[in-house]
Amino acid sequence: QKEVEQNSGPLSVPEGAIASLNCTYSDRGSQSFFWYRQYSGKSPELIMFIYSNGDKEDGRFTAQLNKASQYVSLLIRDSQPSDSATYLCAVQPNTGNQFYFGTGTSLTVIP
Amino acid sequence: ETGVTQTPRHLVMGMTNKKSLKCEQHLGHNAMYWYKQSAKKPLELMFVYNFKEQTENNSVPSRFSPECPNSSHLFLHLHTLQPEDSALYLCASSREGQNNSPLHFGNGTRLTVT
Repeated sequence: QKEVEQNSGPLSVPEGAIASLNCTYSDRGSQSFFWYRQYSGKSPELIMFIYSNGDKEDGRFTAQLNKASQYVSLLIRDSQPSDSATYLCAVQPNTGNQFYFGTGTSLTVIP
Repeated sequence: ETGVTQTPRHLVMGMTNKKSLKCEQHLGHNAMYWYKQSAKKPLELMFVYNFKEQTENNSVPSRFSPECPNSSHLFLHLHTLQPEDSALYLCASSREGQNNSPLHFGNGTRLTVT
């Protein structure tokens, strides 16, 4: 069983603060890691992906990957109320089309 | 039209009805997926198709029947569903065989079984 675990939250941060979202996975052979944002009643939309150890930055978002510790995180700088959503972590093994999802972390940015 | 399109957006059906969900992707992808999203649960993979061939069937009950006539279209035929099948059904596509090719989701069909 390949598991992806996230703290379901809710996580609340004040506007302008850094939101930190964490995800751990059980399959050590996993190769690709994705963060999706899902607004209530909407479908998931891709924020960014990462596959190499270290940090990857895209605007206010930074993904961090540590394969030795089997975790991936998402940092959101200068959080905005529009960032309030559920954030899904997805992990793709080395082979096949499977994507394994966590249950998601609910984030609320307080104005 | 671009992206992944799903119809209908909402569906209410009785336990004895037969209905179908439709998905179409305009991204040139070769893999298509059906996922089920229930409250408080991770996205559950139901079926995967690569180049029209089914490659995954995650122990889905036979009351769900997928059909993939070509790489751009995917259907999910529903019959004699149960109330616990009420959920958001998401179609997605990707470019299989390419590293780091993410899933692109449609808007989903919100299904209610009465």
